[in-house]
Amino acid sequence: GNSVTQMEGPVTLSEEAFLTINCTYTATGYPSLFWYVQYPGEGLQLLLKATKADDKGSNKGFEATYRKETTSFHLEKGSVQVSDSAVYFCALSDPTGNQFYFGTGTSLTVIP
Amino acid sequence: NAGVTQTPKFRVLKTGQSMTLLCAQDMNHEYMYWYRQDPGMGLRLIHYSVGEGTTAKGEVPDGYNVSRLKKQNFLLGLESAAPSQTSVYFCASSYSGGGSNQPQHFGDGTRLSIL
Repeated sequence: GNSVTQMEGPVTLSEEAFLTINCTYTATGYPSLFWYVQYPGEGLQLLLKATKADDKGSNKGFEATYRKETTSFHLEKGSVQVSDSAVYFCALSDPTGNQFYFGTGTSLTVIP
Repeated sequence: NAGVTQTPKFRVLKTGQSMTLLCAQDMNHEYMYWYRQDPGMGLRLIHYSVGEGTTAKGEVPDGYNVSRLKKQNFLLGLESAAPSQTSVYFCASSYSGGGSNQPQHFGDGTRLSIL
């Protein structure tokens, strides 16, 4: 079956620290992979995506590389800001069906 | 750009009451989804639709019904609300389904409390 596992939070970092949020997946076939961000009181917004092995998605200083050999899609940012405080969700799309699968979310708090 | 709009944003119900949550999208998307978000459990799919007039069950469909009479609208109904249905409900839409690389677009959520 399809599933997404991401590191549990909460994660607290100081401003300008390096961020890594781990995400691994199991899937039938070759899924597309996504990172979404959810700010307080809002819905999920697409942060970045990768559609095939070795693709790197990037946006707003965040990056993630689709690693088929390790079935991973870890989110990284070199220098976080207070405004990056949010909940981050890793997700995959089922290439054989109509559904998307989400991890449980990782809460990030960045302190000045 | 409205995107995906959910109404209402907040609601408090008593056990046994019924209500309908409305989701509307203006992006001409074929696929629409209803999720619930509970602490520590991420998003769980309730029902989805692959086009006007179609619906399908997701991971947690019990206690909910849906309808997609118009392409732009996807309604989620609770016939007899239970405290276990207290949650934040999110609607999402996408141009195509999981077989493509197109992401989902989400509404801002409906916070529902069942007393």
